[in-house]
Parts: sequence; C-alpha cells; structure tokens
Amino acid sequence: ETGVTQTPRHLVMGMTNKKSLKCEQHLGHNAMYWYKQSAKKPLELMFVYNFKEQTENNSVPSRFSPECPNSSHLFLHLHTLQPEDSALYLCASSHSSRGSSYNEQFFGPGTRLTVL
Amino acid sequence: QKEVEQNSGPLSVPEGAIASLNCTYSDRVSQSFFWYRQYSGKSPELIMSIYSNGDKEDGRFTAQLNKASQYVSLLIRDSQPSDSATYLCAVRVFEGNLIFGKGTKLSVKP
Repeated sequence: ETGVTQTPRHLVMGMTNKKSLKCEQHLGHNAMYWYKQSAKKPLELMFVYNFKEQTENNSVPSRFSPECPNSSHLFLHLHTLQPEDSALYLCASSHSSRGSSYNEQFFGPGTRLTVL
Repeated sequence: QKEVEQNSGPLSVPEGAIASLNCTYSDRVSQSFFWYRQYSGKSPELIMSIYSNGDKEDGRFTAQLNKASQYVSLLIRDSQPSDSATYLCAVRVFEGNLIFGKGTKLSVKP
C-alpha cells in the first residue's frame, strides 16, 4: 500500500449504530487529520494529531470520537449520528506543522458516509 | 475569521486555452499556499505549492503569488478535458492549519 488509505470507502448506518472509520498513512508522516466535506461547503477540519497527540478539536460534536494509536494510524469512532452528518470524511497526513508552515498535506480517498 | 475566497464558477474554457483560477485570502501573515485538484466523487490531490512571491511552474501548471495583494492564482496552459475538476485553494500561517476555499469548478470543452 502506498500513500494514505481509508476504509471503508462507503458506509451506510442508522442513527443508533456505532461504526469506525480507519485511516493509515505509509508516507512516514507524523501529523494526521480528519476533515469533513459536505456539498457546497469548504473542507471542514475536525481533528489534528501531531506525534499521536491531539492538537486540534474544531468544536466537533462528541458523537465523533477520534483515536490515534500511533503516527501511522487514525480512527474516527461514530455513534448516534444524525442525517446531517452524511458527508465525505477525509483523512490526510503531513510532516508535523510544529515549527513550520511548509508541510504539504496528502489526502486519502475518503469514506462516503450516509446516515439514515 | 481567516477566509479564503474563490469564485465558485463554473469556469468554462475551450480545449487548448489557458484556464486562470484565482484565490484571495484574508490573513496577512499567511506563509504557504497550495492548490488541490478534486475530481467529482474523489479526494483532493495536491498539484502545486508556493511559498514565495512570483511564479512557480510545473509542467502545464503555473502558480502565481502576490503577498502584498493577498492573491494567489493557478494558470493551466493547453487545457485538456481531463483538467475538468474543482480546484481548491488552501492557505496556511506559521504552525497553523490549512484553510480551504470552497473551490472553483473548471470545465474544459472539447
């Protein structure tokens, strides 16, 4: 595997379900990100991890719970979601932003989530 | 509130023409600037990064940065139908997070 991978690619879940999204990066990066992309809206940053430490939570509802066990893996645990949470969820990775602004972010293919 | 503004388009150009995509940003201390291409149903793909005033060329793509005017643009020469996509401008301040524009949809007509 190369680059940034995400599973599953598509997910349909009910409002009472619990599911998890997985992201893995093979680029040797130490920062990982979750974004949400809804129609007609800019990409919304959700969470940032630098060296496994969460450094940003962009006022995300608690029904979204991130987990970063190491610099290569990132999870997004989902529970009791709402239909308005339906969107494309994108994972990205980069070298750490600490001490720099020049690090480039690379995106995974995304998970298309539909909440019924 | 930090903002990145792009014309949503669609921008329509004939095959072989130059496509010009523009982006303005509000934070004067922004240091790095990126262009991503996103095909429908796909994830964003990094195509250009630029950090200094002036032009940066990579194949058919040229990024132009003017920090005094808080303006960054992307030129696509010899546009091809395969260039039809949404182009996202993203901006970062020192140690900050990327701020994305809403994107400009480009359509290249054969």
